Amino acid sequence: SQKIEQNSEALNIQEGKTATLTCNYTNYSPAYLQWYRQDPGRGPVFLLLIRENEKEKRKERLKVTFDTTLKQSLFHITASQPADSATYLCALDETNNDMRFGAGTRLTVKP
Amino acid sequence: NAGVTQTPKFQVLKTGQSMTLQCAQDMNHNSMYWYRQDPGMGLRLIYYSASEGTTDKGEVPNGYNVSRLNKREFSLRLESAAPSQTSVYFCASIAQGAGGNTIYFGEGSWLTVV
Repeated sequence: SQKIEQNSEALNIQEGKTATLTCNYTNYSPAYLQWYRQDPGRGPVFLLLIRENEKEKRKERLKVTFDTTLKQSLFHITASQPADSATYLCALDETNNDMRFGAGTRLTVKP
Repeated sequence: NAGVTQTPKFQVLKTGQSMTLQCAQDMNHNSMYWYRQDPGMGLRLIYYSASEGTTDKGEVPNGYNVSRLNKREFSLRLESAAPSQTSVYFCASIAQGAGGNTIYFGEGSWLTVV
């Protein structure tokens, strides 16, 4: 069966450290993968998209890798801040009209 | 620029009641989606509309109907609400690009069916 698994339900780290979130998938062959941020009581907000032929993409303190052999994406936040505390969702395209989402990882950055 | 606006924000229904969730986008996108989000299960697609006048079932369509009223508006209707439909509902509008689609979500509608 098809699955998208995000490494853990919750991740706690100290301010200034690098947060690493994992997204693993099975039985998909996505053309691209996305990461979203969701704050409590709000809708998800798009952060980054990485295509299957891209190994790595960066945006400010964010870095995403995509390994189609391992069927895994890693999402890194460097120099983390308390304001980075949120739930992070990975999503990949099932078909052109259907993005499938993982359940999310709740990140807490402690001062 | 409001993006995606959905109403109501909160609603409590009794089992068997009906209601419609309204959604509008001002980004001139062709595609609009309705998702539901449940704890531990992620976002699941209920219905989508690839363009004005068309609608299609997503992953979990049972118990729902949709209407794409025009390019801006896409509504979700629960004809006879059930407790299993207690969830957070998100409307979304999709920016389609050659490299991939980007999803813009509304702020969510919290629905409780008692």
